[in-house]
Amino acid sequence: DAKTTQPNSMESNEEEPVHLPCNHSTISGTDYIHWYRQLPSQGPEYVIHGLTSNVNNRMASLAIAEDRKSSTLILHRATLRDAAVYYCILRDVIVEGNTPLVFGKGTRLSVIA
Amino acid sequence: GAVVSQHPSRVICKSGTSVKIECRSLDFQATTMFWYRQFPKQSLMLMATSNEGSKATYEQGVEKDKFLINHASLTLSTLTVTSAHPEDSSFYICSALGTAGNTIYFGEGSWLTVV
Repeated sequence: DAKTTQPNSMESNEEEPVHLPCNHSTISGTDYIHWYRQLPSQGPEYVIHGLTSNVNNRMASLAIAEDRKSSTLILHRATLRDAAVYYCILRDVIVEGNTPLVFGKGTRLSVIA
Repeated sequence: GAVVSQHPSRVICKSGTSVKIECRSLDFQATTMFWYRQFPKQSLMLMATSNEGSKATYEQGVEKDKFLINHASLTLSTLTVTSAHPEDSSFYICSALGTAGNTIYFGEGSWLTVV
């Protein structure tokens, strides 16, 4: 899987929007962009994924650059429960389905009350 | 959504003993499951890929004779840490590929402490 680059940490005030960036300049045409988050002492939790178009779900929005070399996870109103490590991961959909997620270091998001 | 459950959530064992961690897909069948290990303040490290009915595929540097993986059914994979040592103390996490094929679901993780 192609590598991703994320800031080590970010900070946000509660109830404000948060934009978590991810660079993936070597992304291939068949790589999906996945976002997971990990709360302290828990397994990772699926957040959102997309291929080319922007995506929205109840947790977040995913904005994908037109050239697909970067993406941004948007939390519309950060809460204290959103404090976690956020991982941006590429996964090739053409490869047979038993391809694992390979985790980088992610971005540690702190939310200030 | 799909649920993956691990058991036990925490276990303490004596050095030299073996401990088994179970990973179950509760509402879907998982032909493929993945096992990770995570040390404090670090990211998840993939240990092995577990396929139902066949031998697991281990990542480089992971001892297959020490970390025994069995995936005997479509809803259960087990990781057995044999002859555990204090350096095996870690957070072990399993995940399963959902039936839609594009989303991977994670268990809650299992804390292993070897004393």
